[in-house]
Amino acid sequence: DTGVSQDPRHKITKRGQNVTFRCDPISEHNRLYWYRQTLGQGPEFLTYFQNEAQLEKSRLLSDRFSAERPKGSFSTLEIQRTEQGDSAMYLCASSFGLAGRRNEQFFGPGTRLTVL
Amino acid sequence: EDKVVQSPLSLVVHEGDTVTLNCSYEVTNFRSLLWYKQEKKAPTFLFMLTSSGIEKKSGRLSSILDKKELFSILNITATQTGDSAVYLCADSGAGSYQLTFGKGTKLSVIP
Repeated sequence: DTGVSQDPRHKITKRGQNVTFRCDPISEHNRLYWYRQTLGQGPEFLTYFQNEAQLEKSRLLSDRFSAERPKGSFSTLEIQRTEQGDSAMYLCASSFGLAGRRNEQFFGPGTRLTVL
Repeated sequence: EDKVVQSPLSLVVHEGDTVTLNCSYEVTNFRSLLWYKQEKKAPTFLFMLTSSGIEKKSGRLSSILDKKELFSILNITATQTGDSAVYLCADSGAGSYQLTFGKGTKLSVIP
């Protein structure tokens, strides 16, 4: 399968714990995005990388959230001191860096986080 | 701030019907409008529209953009039960590659 992959697919944690999610983009894509989706809503943008550089961050990304893409390939999203409001589906997407195709973002299966 | 509004929020049709889903948007320096289909998993890409008045087609699905009136429609002809899903519309503006999504239209196709 050459699509975007995410791990784990499901995560249940207790309030106050730290969690880390991983995303592996499509191999030839150099742009990687993180979104969060709650029930009945469309995905909300969190952050975006071009290669290893984090170029945009949403105000939704509080100080408890951090994302990295150390070698310009896979990315991790960490949430520290989780809160119940963090419960959501965390989606990763990737796209080409080519003009005209940069906005064609392809999504992974998501990591569903439940904070008890 | 970008805003994407989709209508209707939900729709129930019978197999074989034709449906039209609507998306209106407000974005600074429009770049593109995208449609996705979401079943019980991640959104799957359908179309990206950048030019006004040019229809994009894929099988029974088609979409068109009106940049003057700031809206797009997604048409599905001869609907099938496999078309049941949430259809998401998203836009992006110049200077940013983030997508701003609407809440989606939940389409249910009954036999």
